[in-house]
Amino acid sequence: AQTVTQSQPEMSVQEAETVTLSCTYDTSESDYYLFWYKQPPSRQMILVIRQEAYKQQNATENRFSVNFQKAAKSFSLKISDSQLGDAAMYFCAYSGGGSQGNLIFGKGTKLSVKP
Amino acid sequence: DAGVIQSPRHEVTEMGQEVTLRCKPISGHNSLFWYRQTMMRGLELLIYFNNNVPIDDSGMPEDRFSAKMPNASFSTLKIQPSEPRDSAVYFCASNPGLGTQYFGPGTRLLVL
Repeated sequence: AQTVTQSQPEMSVQEAETVTLSCTYDTSESDYYLFWYKQPPSRQMILVIRQEAYKQQNATENRFSVNFQKAAKSFSLKISDSQLGDAAMYFCAYSGGGSQGNLIFGKGTKLSVKP
Repeated sequence: DAGVIQSPRHEVTEMGQEVTLRCKPISGHNSLFWYRQTMMRGLELLIYFNNNVPIDDSGMPEDRFSAKMPNASFSTLKIQPSEPRDSAVYFCASNPGLGTQYFGPGTRLLVL
C-alpha cells in the first residue's frame, strides 16, 4: 500500500525568507502524481502544485517549487519570499497513475510565518 | 465555474439523528470523492465514484454511512444514526480525469 510521510509537524519562517517542507512517499508504481495542498484556517483545501512522476523537470508555480527525487521517493516544497498569507497547514498527497485514483495524504505540516 | 459546491457548510445535530451531506461536482468532472478529516485520523477517503458508479467504498466506516450519486451533478453522503464520533469535516472533491482533485469548502459536522 502507498504511504505518504511528512516528518515536520510544524515549521516556522520569517516573512520574505524561504522555507522547505519535506515529504517522502512509498509506492511500487512507476506512474503516479504528487501534490501539495494548502489548508488555511478556513479549512478550504487549495491545490498549490502538482508533479507527474514521468516528468523529470520539477514543477514551479510562482513562489512555489518542488524538489522531486523519484529514486529517493522524496517530494519537498519550497516556498520563496514567504508571505503572511502562506501560513496554513500543508498536505503532501499521492495519487496512483489511474486518473480516477484517490488521494493518499500525509499528516500535514503547520507553517507559521513571522512578520 | 463555481467550483465544487457542498451543503450545508455547518451542521449541528443530536446523536441518533439522520444527517445528509450534499455535493455538486464541477461540471464535466467524471469522478467524485468523499473525504473525512479529523484530528486523530487526518484526511481519509470514504468513497469515490466514477461516472456515477461507486468504485471503492472500503473507507466507509460502517453501515451507518451510505453514499449515492444519482446523476453526474449530485451526490449525497448520509449518516444514520449519527454518533458523536462522526464529528468531523467532510469534504467532497471532483476530478476531471487528469489526476488533480478539486475540493469543495467542506461541511463541518458536530454531533452532540
